[in-house]
Amino acid sequence: QSALTQPASVSGSPGQSITISCTGTSSDIGGYNYVSWYQQHPGKAPKLMIYEVGHRPSGVSNRFSGSKSGNTASLTISGLQAEDEADYYCSSYSSSSTRVFGGGTKLTVL
Amino acid sequence: EVQLVESGGGLVQPGGSLRLSCAASGFIFSSSDMNWVRQAPGKGLEWISHIGGTSSPVYYADSVKGRFTVSRDNARNSLFLQMNSLRDEDTAVYYCARDHTAMIDYWGQGTLVTVSS
Repeated sequence: QSALTQPASVSGSPGQSITISCTGTSSDIGGYNYVSWYQQHPGKAPKLMIYEVGHRPSGVSNRFSGSKSGNTASLTISGLQAEDEADYYCSSYSSSSTRVFGGGTKLTVL
Repeated sequence: EVQLVESGGGLVQPGGSLRLSCAASGFIFSSSDMNWVRQAPGKGLEWISHIGGTSSPVYYADSVKGRFTVSRDNARNSLFLQMNSLRDEDTAVYYCARDHTAMIDYWGQGTLVTVSS
């Protein structure tokens, strides 16, 4: 049950696009299309932003998109806005029927 | 409106026990799988347990297996986490979270557990 690997931090200017990667193995990301992404602001509960690799829940901006290639999933945020500054976590279903999270990425909007 | 409200957190000594509860409302609880996820201070999210709608199947992270027990009472729309043999590293905010096809679509606000002497 090793955590998925995410960069510790990314940054971008308002209006720009950024991509956060999430690397796992063939036993989690590579084996299933059950990758989800969560946004967490300080002191708040996480919020679902992307599910099943690239699907957006109702109410989530279309500036957020997800994809997967092999054992690596990615979250792209386009048209960066100040309110996007937060921590982002990826998660995947795992072959042992468990769930695994990434270590988290702090997004700074410059 | 879906609501998940955790309770039962607090300060406990190493080796002690604590039972967390989660009151669910706004959805058909008995049809929903549930998870417990925790977050140590300043750290990332860690999935720790999953329970099916009918109390089966049940899964645990290696870090808590043998010490924590998840259960539910569908008649009372409640989820529980019995935590025994607590360690310093169990200090965290514990979230109750609804599982839907391996994604977590709703989270509670969390309850803080502090393990310290």
